[in-house]
Amino acid sequence: GAGVSQSPRYKVAKRGQDVALRCDPISGHVSLFWYQQALGQGPEFLTYFQNEAQLDKSGLPSDRFFAERPEGSVSTLKIQRTQQEDSAVYLCASSLGRAYIGETQYFGPGTRLLVL
Amino acid sequence: QQQVKQSPQSLIVQKGGISIINCAYENTAFDYFPWYQQFPGKGPALLIAIRPDVSEKKEGRFTISFNKSAKQFSLHIMDSQPGDSATYFCAAVLQGGSEKLVFGKGTKLTVNP
Repeated sequence: GAGVSQSPRYKVAKRGQDVALRCDPISGHVSLFWYQQALGQGPEFLTYFQNEAQLDKSGLPSDRFFAERPEGSVSTLKIQRTQQEDSAVYLCASSLGRAYIGETQYFGPGTRLLVL
Repeated sequence: QQQVKQSPQSLIVQKGGISIINCAYENTAFDYFPWYQQFPGKGPALLIAIRPDVSEKKEGRFTISFNKSAKQFSLHIMDSQPGDSATYFCAAVLQGGSEKLVFGKGTKLTVNP
């Protein structure tokens, strides 16, 4: 595809349910990022992959959050036992690689998660 | 801890006017400062970016001014248009880090016709 795609676009979950959010990065992009954007706030970093290696997961808020990118392409963010405070837009971004500092990150449209 | 502070939270300007959004940071290890534009229901998109060794960068109607000693930078939108109405985020990237973006809280810009 031409850009980063995410699915589903909207997800409603009951508190305690597990959810899985998918990200398809731009083809050939080495780096992949997940961000969480609460309503009316800026995105906050969750985790970073370089190919299949998860190099930074310092932003994951709890051990209920888990991300993977097993083949270095598609990534899945999983949230176990969802809580109301998990309600947010989850953004995925990809960049070509670590060729230089400040390489452009291209964002997907996000998945809006609502936990009831 | 908010590492990048952005103001104002919202901004209303008339068509043709100048929109100015300000950001400040504390961590001197930041060495790349992009601005992102976000429309409702869309992901952020890179607008313009600057490195700290440059005091100003201009691309079309958009200009970043950077003051390294004050640890401040700002976005100026000249001849603002209704199509510029969006939320703008400043961000910063740490040198030697994972290149994660540290965002400000955003400024909702409304340009009236």
